[in-house]
Amino acid sequence: AQKVTQAQTEISVVEKEDVTLDCVYETRDTTYYLFWYKQPPSGELVFLIRRNSFDEQNEISGRYSWNFQKSTSSFNFTITASQVVDSAVYFCALTHNTGFQKLVFGTGTRLLVSP
Amino acid sequence: DVKVTQSSRYLVKRTGEKVFLECVQDMDHENMFWYRQDPGLGLRLIYFSYDVKMKEKGDIPEGYSVSREKKERFSLILESASTNQTSMYLCASSLDGYEKLFFGSGTQLSVL
Repeated sequence: AQKVTQAQTEISVVEKEDVTLDCVYETRDTTYYLFWYKQPPSGELVFLIRRNSFDEQNEISGRYSWNFQKSTSSFNFTITASQVVDSAVYFCALTHNTGFQKLVFGTGTRLLVSP
Repeated sequence: DVKVTQSSRYLVKRTGEKVFLECVQDMDHENMFWYRQDPGLGLRLIYFSYDVKMKEKGDIPEGYSVSREKKERFSLILESASTNQTSMYLCASSLDGYEKLFFGSGTQLSVL
């Protein structure tokens, strides 16, 4: 069965610090997709990135970067020079083994960035 | 901008009541989903619909049913609400396959 583990329940940093959110997944599928979503205090989850299992290239988007390593079944997310607006709950997700339309989510990591 | 709208932000119901949670999307998406979010458990899929009148159980369907009579609307029904169904309910939609999900703002349901 698919499983996503986000071991960090809550992380607190001071503005401008770099922070890495960990995501470890389990699947027997050879083809799958991984996602990161952000849930700000308003409650609406927002898509950040999608990565398929055949693309292990790291990705950078502004202050955000993602490191996908199949060898360790990890898809970690780094925020460089964190800002107060980065405070949110971040979820990692994996496509369900019964259909790509469905996702299995991790339990989330709450990031608190203080000024 | 694309939009997924959930009819209520907060809802308080009594045990045994029949509860309807409504969700509407304006993106002509094929897929619609209901998730529930609980502290320490993340998001768990209740039901999924891939077309009008087509539905599929998710990981925790017990105590819930759904209805999709029109493409843009997906309703979650609690036939007889119980206190363990107190939760945040999130509706989402996607165009197809492994495309990203668009989420509504959620409905915080309290069953007393």
